[in-house]
Amino acid sequence: QKEVEQNSGPLSVPEGAIASLNCTYSDRVSQSFFWYRQYSGKSPELIMSIYSNGDKEDGRFTAQLNKASQYVSLLIRDSQPSDSATYLCAAQGFQKLVFGTGTRLLVSP
Amino acid sequence: GAVVSQHPSRVICKSGTSVKIECRSLDFQATTMFWYRQFPKKSLMLMATSNEGSKATYEQGVEKDKFLINHASLTLSTLTVTSAHPEDSSFYICSARDPSGVWETQYFGPGTRLLVL
Repeated sequence: QKEVEQNSGPLSVPEGAIASLNCTYSDRVSQSFFWYRQYSGKSPELIMSIYSNGDKEDGRFTAQLNKASQYVSLLIRDSQPSDSATYLCAAQGFQKLVFGTGTRLLVSP
Repeated sequence: GAVVSQHPSRVICKSGTSVKIECRSLDFQATTMFWYRQFPKKSLMLMATSNEGSKATYEQGVEKDKFLINHASLTLSTLTVTSAHPEDSSFYICSARDPSGVWETQYFGPGTRLLVL
């Protein structure tokens, strides 16, 4: 099993809808998790970090962590076309971040 | 969030030459920086972990003599691609770990696009 897994997508949602991005992780990574957004041709940009079980909200973004089921999710409310990007889930491994392969999100007008 | 800069943003060079890329943490001191490369439509690939004042730790399959890393200060790491060849053309991205806070967060630079002719 890979340490961090994501569905590659693309995930297509209409403008204004909620986009739900999911990520599962193995025991080999620690308990701090990060969501990065990467636009085509650009470097990753940190959106959210989460360390505790439950939800963490920041504007239109909500990160959810469920340690018992070993999954992390990112909800984007009121999705906009400008949210179209690849979303990378990352977990803190031994001395380095372990990334998933990313989920491509397409928000159609 | 913390700011990480990279220079140059884009470089074109002839085959056989060496190229140096700089990565700076602008508003925090980073004892650890990371170098990644990314091919079009592919995932990030960690090349090496750069630790201030010590030798870099390279990932399996990355040639240390080809990709020289120096982390001489708490705010600067450099990656030198030696004797570059067309297959080295890629998007190189650095990141720096901010040691402040309970959990150390990694911030990325804007990346350097290298084209070797």
